Amino acid sequence: QQQVKQSPQSLIVQKGGISIINCAYENTAFDYFPWYQQFPGKGPALLIAIRPDVSEKKEGRFTISFNKSAKQFSLHIMDSQPGDSATYFCAASMRSGSQGNLIFGKGTKLSVKP
Amino acid sequence: DAGVIQSPRHEVTEMGQEVTLRCKPISGHDYLFWYRQTMMRGLELLIYFNNNVPIDDSGMPEDRFSAKMPNASFSTLKIQPSEPRDSAVYFCASTLQGGFGYTFGSGTRLTVV
Repeated sequence: QQQVKQSPQSLIVQKGGISIINCAYENTAFDYFPWYQQFPGKGPALLIAIRPDVSEKKEGRFTISFNKSAKQFSLHIMDSQPGDSATYFCAASMRSGSQGNLIFGKGTKLSVKP
Repeated sequence: DAGVIQSPRHEVTEMGQEVTLRCKPISGHDYLFWYRQTMMRGLELLIYFNNNVPIDDSGMPEDRFSAKMPNASFSTLKIQPSEPRDSAVYFCASTLQGGFGYTFGSGTRLTVV
C-alpha cells in the first residue's frame, strides 16, 4: 500500500516531442504528489507538485495530470529538449498525520535525442 | 543558502572497514532524511529525523547501519563493518515540513571493495 509504481523505466524521445511518464499508487491517504528531476552526479530536485484537489497543474513545458479515481498521475513534458535528459521520479506522501516522508517511484531515465 | 551539504563526495573503502557519511541540512529545516540510491532498488528511505529525533528507522537494512543527529545542523550515517553490497549513492535531504519541499544534497558515492 505504500508503493508508488512508475513506468516506463526508460524513455527515448525525439527533440520537440512529448515525454509522458506515469505513476500509480494504492494508498488513498496520500495527498501530495511531487515530481523530482535528477541529473547525473546530482541529487534529485523538485520539479513540480500537485495536490489531489486539482486535476492538472502546468509550469512551463511541464504538466502534471492527476486522476484521483484511478489513483494515477502523470508527467508530461511538451517540446522535449536534450537538456531535459535526466531521471525523473514521482513521489507521494501524506502531509497530515505522523507520516512525514516521501515515497518515491523507481525512476524513469529520459533521453531526448537531437 | 549553500543547500544541503554532504561529505565526502566519494568514498572508496575496503570490506570490513567503518564508513561515516556526513550531512549538514539547510538551516532552519526541521526534517532530515537519509536515502540510498541503487540501480536495482531506486531511492530507498533509510531513516528520517524530526527536530533531531529519529522518527522512522525501518528502512535501515541491518544493525551494521546507524544514524545520529546530535544537533540541528549535523547528521551522520555510519556503516560498520562495510560490505560490497553497501556500494551505492547515499543522499541526505532536509525540509521544513515533512513530506514535501525536500532539498537533496549532491550525495556520497560509496564503493566498498
